[in-house]
Amino acid sequence: TQLLEQSPQFLSIQEGENLTVYCNSSSVFSSLQWYRQEPGEGPVLLVTVVTGGEVKKLKRLTFQFGDARKDSSLHITAAQPGDTGLYLCAGGNNNAGNMLTFGGGTRLMVKP
Amino acid sequence: KAGVTQTPRYLIKTRGQQVTLSCSPISGHRSVSWYQQTPGQGLQFLFEYFSETQRNKGNFPGRFSGRQFSNSRSEMNVSTLELGDSALYLCASSPLPGRNYGYTFGSGTRLTVV
Repeated sequence: TQLLEQSPQFLSIQEGENLTVYCNSSSVFSSLQWYRQEPGEGPVLLVTVVTGGEVKKLKRLTFQFGDARKDSSLHITAAQPGDTGLYLCAGGNNNAGNMLTFGGGTRLMVKP
Repeated sequence: KAGVTQTPRYLIKTRGQQVTLSCSPISGHRSVSWYQQTPGQGLQFLFEYFSETQRNKGNFPGRFSGRQFSNSRSEMNVSTLELGDSALYLCASSPLPGRNYGYTFGSGTRLTVV
C-alpha cells in the first residue's frame, strides 16, 4: 500500500510570510498532483508534476517533484488571505489508471 | 463549460437504508472516479469507471458499488448504511484513464447517516 505523508498538518501564518508544505512517501510515484480545497467544495487541481526534479511555478506558488519521485514540496511566497485552504498532494501511477493516493492534507490559514 | 455536477448536495439517511449518488462529468470526459472524504481518513479512492467498465476499485466493502452509463454519467450506491459511512463523497472526471491528466472534482455529496 502506497502512503503519502504531508507536513505540517496545520499552519497559521501572517499575510506576507513564506511557507513550505512537504509531501513524502517511501514509494515511487509516476506523477504527483497538488490540489487546494475550500470548505464545502471539491479539491481544485493546482499542478501535476511527472519528471523527477521537475519544478513548476504558478504565480507565487512553486512546486517541486523530488529526484527519486518519492516526495514533493509546495512553497508559497508572500502568502495572502486568499491562499487559505486545505492543500492536498496526491500520487498516481501509470499502471493504476486514474487512481490517486492522497496525503492527509495541510490546513493553511493566512491572517491579514 | 459546465463542471462536474453531483446530486444531491446533502443527504440524511438512517442506518440500514441504502443511498444512490449521481455524478455528471464534464462534457467529453469519459473517466469518472469516486472518493470518500472523512476527517479521520482523508480522501480514499472508491472506484474508477471508463467506458461503462470498472477499471479500479479501492479497499471498501461490497456494500459500496457503482456503475457508469453510456453517456459517461455515473452513480454510486451504498447499501445497508452504517454510521461510519457519513462522509463527503466526491466524484472526479478526467478525459481518459491513465496519463495523469488530473481530476476535475465536483462539489460533493455530504451524506449523514443517523
